[in-house]
Amino acid sequence: NAGVTQTPKFQVLKTGQSMTLQCAQDMNHEYMSWYRQDPGMGLRLIHYSVGAGITDQGEVPNGYNVSRSTTEDFPLRLLSAAPSQTSVYFCASSRDRGPGTEAFFGQGTRLTVV
Amino acid sequence: QKEVEQDPGPLSVPEGAIVSLNCTYSNSAFQYFMWYRQYSRKGPELLMYTYSSGNKEDGRFTAQVDKSSKYISLFIRDSQPSDSATYLCAIDGAGGTSYGKLTFGQGTILTVHP
Repeated sequence: NAGVTQTPKFQVLKTGQSMTLQCAQDMNHEYMSWYRQDPGMGLRLIHYSVGAGITDQGEVPNGYNVSRSTTEDFPLRLLSAAPSQTSVYFCASSRDRGPGTEAFFGQGTRLTVV
Repeated sequence: QKEVEQDPGPLSVPEGAIVSLNCTYSNSAFQYFMWYRQYSRKGPELLMYTYSSGNKEDGRFTAQVDKSSKYISLFIRDSQPSDSATYLCAIDGAGGTSYGKLTFGQGTILTVHP
């Protein structure tokens, strides 16, 4: 099992560009989510999905879109990158959204917007 | 007021020391509490999980929850250089559709020096 795989690992974007951060899991998990990690802020939830075809917003969704067409994949799209979106992005998956269920995280994508 | 507060440190201790990491939270409805460990440039991984109040022990690690004071702690006994990492407290949602939406503290950077 590869677990949760994120690509790319590093990316530099210019302001206004768009891009998609890829996330794939091979554990047949229903629940997937995207977090961003900024210094002094911890991890903050951007979007999440409870299953294929179902997504919802987290704490900081503005500027990001998601879709979930398969159980395995949960891409995060930046529509028009802004310097405020410079961050480390983590994708996570869980067996389900039951309380206290362990979240498995990918290695992260380090994004810089200039 | 942030829902979860954690002193970011950094915390530097000698090998063999007892380490105490702490978080406070604001919502008394929270019942599921976790500690994640994050090594440099890696994704977080679940270290400990506790439900409601009380202690839970796993080897050198003890997680403690005091719901009356909304305080959660992680103790590391006989700390080792391999324990050097960022420790994040996390709290699962307060119920229903909130489950799965983890709220993280800012993380405490711990260095254990030989």
